[in-house]
Amino acid sequence: AAGVIQSPRHLIKEKRETATLKCYPIPRHDTVYWYQQGPGQDPQFLISFYEKMQSDKGSIPDRFSAQQFSDYHSELNMSSLELGDSALYFCASSSEWTGSEAFFGQGTRLTVV
Amino acid sequence: ELKVEQNPLFLSMQEGKNYTIYCNYSTTSDRLYWYRQDPGKSLESLFVLLSNGAVKQEGRLMASLDTKARLSTLHITAAVHDLSATYFCAVDILGGGADGLTFGKGTHLIIQP
Repeated sequence: AAGVIQSPRHLIKEKRETATLKCYPIPRHDTVYWYQQGPGQDPQFLISFYEKMQSDKGSIPDRFSAQQFSDYHSELNMSSLELGDSALYFCASSSEWTGSEAFFGQGTRLTVV
Repeated sequence: ELKVEQNPLFLSMQEGKNYTIYCNYSTTSDRLYWYRQDPGKSLESLFVLLSNGAVKQEGRLMASLDTKARLSTLHITAAVHDLSATYFCAVDILGGGADGLTFGKGTHLIIQP
């Protein structure tokens, strides 16, 4: 079965650079979530989209923005990167037709140097 | 603010033993999730618990939910080394929609031969 696809899997950026992470949800899933997981930490909810509209906002810094496109893929844009942004970034998708259970992608490991 | 507390945070046990991980949450929720995470990997969904008294079992793992006590347990029976991982519980705030999940800090489980 198709899973959530994230790209790239690994990304190295310098401080103050920008980064764009992409997420392709499971087909026919209408909701996308972004999470940030620092080393040894639990995942922290950043933002979610339902039917291409922003739905819920968590602890997303102002330097980050995200959107969901007409084909339901989503992108997380991160600017003015800081060392503390180094983390695993997960995308998850869900559908009310499947009980809204969230399925996670493999993650993007971002390292800021 | 929803708080999710797991205990213990670290657990080292021998193969063949039984143990229970506890997850308390601070406000009403309509669903509770258990995830497994291997180091540097994605979050694998283990159980989704939707109602009071729900009990689900998969292999050596059994999860239960008491919504009145706001408590979920993950019980491990006759542990084997392959179950070594970090286990997270996560809670979805009542009302559903595209709310992000709030995770516990995770239980780092090491099962020794």
